[in-house]
Amino acid sequence: AQKVTQAQTEISVVEKEDVTLDCVYETRDTTYYLFWYKQPPSGELVFLIRRNSFDEQNEISGRYSWNFQKSTSSFNFTITASQVVDSAVYFCALRGAQGGSEKLVFGKGTKLTVNP
Amino acid sequence: EAGVVQSPRYKIIEKKQPVAFWCNPISGHNTLYWYRQNLGQGPELLIRYENEEAVDDSQLPKDRFSAERLKGVDSTLKIQPAELGDSAVYLCASSRTGERNEQFFGPGTRLTVL
Repeated sequence: AQKVTQAQTEISVVEKEDVTLDCVYETRDTTYYLFWYKQPPSGELVFLIRRNSFDEQNEISGRYSWNFQKSTSSFNFTITASQVVDSAVYFCALRGAQGGSEKLVFGKGTKLTVNP
Repeated sequence: EAGVVQSPRYKIIEKKQPVAFWCNPISGHNTLYWYRQNLGQGPELLIRYENEEAVDDSQLPKDRFSAERLKGVDSTLKIQPAELGDSAVYLCASSRTGERNEQFFGPGTRLTVL
């Protein structure tokens, strides 16, 4: 069975602080895909990144960076110099590539509040 | 490019009433998904369509929920009769075919059953 754990339910930081959102996953698939989505108060899930299981290269996009470590089954997300507009619920998700595991499984989300 | 469109955005009904949600996916996206998101939880898949075929409906409570995507484009999700526990946000998403492709989500319909 596939599972995604986001142990941090809520995080509160002050603007300009760096913050890391943790994501740990479980899967028996050898090929799988990991995703991060942002859900602002408006409710719409916004796609942030996809990472393939065979590509462990870390990625940086502006203030966002992602650290994928297969050895620890983790796919952590860091926001550098956080801003108030980063306040949202962030979801990590996993999708397998083998029969029966293609559905996207989400964690419970981490609510990030960035205070001015 | 227009995003995933859903309507209505909000719906309040009394228990035992029927309710329907509509979704129009992004043009060219063959795969369409319906999710349910309970308060404080991540979305959970209800049903996935590849064109007009429901390829995964294992999580759909078939005694009261039904869905259709007759022409392989827009889709309707129905609940009849609604129960108090059905209160949630119902999200529609679409993607190009293939497990590696990211899903794009609509704004959702927030259902409240009284």
